[in-house]
Amino acid sequence: QVQLVESGGDLVKPGGSLRLSCAASGFIFSDDYMSWIRQAPGKGLEWISYIDSYGNIIYYADSMKGRFTMSRDNARNSLYLQMNSLRAEDTAVYYCARLGRSGYLNQWGQGTLVTVSS
Amino acid sequence: ESVLTQSPGTLSLSPGERATLSCRASQSVNINYLAWYQQKPGQAPRLLIYAASSRATGIPDRFSGSGSGTDFTLTISRLEPEDFAVYYCQQYVISPPALTFGGGTKVEIK
Repeated sequence: QVQLVESGGDLVKPGGSLRLSCAASGFIFSDDYMSWIRQAPGKGLEWISYIDSYGNIIYYADSMKGRFTMSRDNARNSLYLQMNSLRAEDTAVYYCARLGRSGYLNQWGQGTLVTVSS
Repeated sequence: ESVLTQSPGTLSLSPGERATLSCRASQSVNINYLAWYQQKPGQAPRLLIYAASSRATGIPDRFSGSGSGTDFTLTISRLEPEDFAVYYCQQYVISPPALTFGGGTKVEIK
């Protein structure tokens, strides 16, 4: 069955960097657009970015541009999110998800927790 | 930027009752690009409805979506104990490309 497994979440100091990974299985990864979404503790969902099936087209939420970089490796069935200059407000659970052609997120991973604190 | 506003923030109902959740957009939404999700504590969101009214695979028919333009509704015809959760609406915007979520409605047991 479809599985998305995020990893890489950790406790990091303000100003630090972190790279999240999402391992995909159970579907043809190279066929699908993918997305990252986050959720701060006790808060709602916030879209971060999405990437086309080839990794050539990437869009970011305005608030994420410049610090976050999304990429994928179709040979490894993996999705990545490089996060730099982290701030306390980046503390959240980060989810990867499959993005359907009509812009809905039809499969989600279980999430990985990123905590930014000194 | 198109903003989604969900109401009410919290809905207190009893099992067996009907739940009506609202999602209002600041700009008109293409119905093909409006979705609803359910999230239970400690779990990832789950897709319920896409294209405003199409149920995702495995979603019971007590869940239904409707609406057009700027006003959309998620209806749960008869609440089951497992339906008490937070519900989010979400839109896909073509230009500039983006996904946006509403703030969520919590359906709690009265």
